[in-house]
Amino acid sequence: SQTIHQWPATLVQPVGSPLSLECTVEGTSNPNLYWYRQAAGRGLQLLFYSVGIGQISSEVPQNLSASRPQDRQFILSSKKLLLSDSGFYLCAWGTDLSYNEQFFGPGTRLTVL
Amino acid sequence: SQKIEQNSEALNIQEGKTATLTCNYTNYSPAYLQWYRQDPGRGPVFLLLIRENEKEKRKERLKVTFDTTLKQSLFHITASQPADSATYLCALPNAGNMLTFGGGTRLMVKP
Repeated sequence: SQTIHQWPATLVQPVGSPLSLECTVEGTSNPNLYWYRQAAGRGLQLLFYSVGIGQISSEVPQNLSASRPQDRQFILSSKKLLLSDSGFYLCAWGTDLSYNEQFFGPGTRLTVL
Repeated sequence: SQKIEQNSEALNIQEGKTATLTCNYTNYSPAYLQWYRQDPGRGPVFLLLIRENEKEKRKERLKVTFDTTLKQSLFHITASQPADSATYLCALPNAGNMLTFGGGTRLMVKP
């Protein structure tokens, strides 16, 4: 069966510090991978998606970047965090391009102070 | 772009009753619509998908309807239980087949 891992679970970082969040998927090959951010009480905002190694598409301009160094690894980064980067970051995977069912990781709660 | 509306107010119902949640969208009718469940501090969990040519879809105590004329989907939980308490999100594909999520409706089932 497939599993998706995210770490860390929680993170408190000062403004201006760098960020690296990691997501890995097990039990599947060549998944589509997604990074979302969820502000408190709000819907999910798609940040990045990837259909293969080294292939990254950005949905919104922002202070963040993503990389996919391996087939089942997706990394979200920032060189300098802003207060507005605080939120709940979710990684998801899927394999069906037609109906795009997605399976989410446990999330990382990021607080920027 | 697609705009999705879900009731932001919590829905409170008594155990055993049927819960009905609404998802309205404003622009083009999508090829499909999905429903997810999200518990506090957790990632969403995929529940059901309904295609544009399907009027209704069932899975155990869950039922989803899809009315492309009204631009609306209804999500029903019959014989609701306290364990059904969660936030329920609907999601639709945009023009690039990426999902757009609604803000979700919180369901509280009281024993």
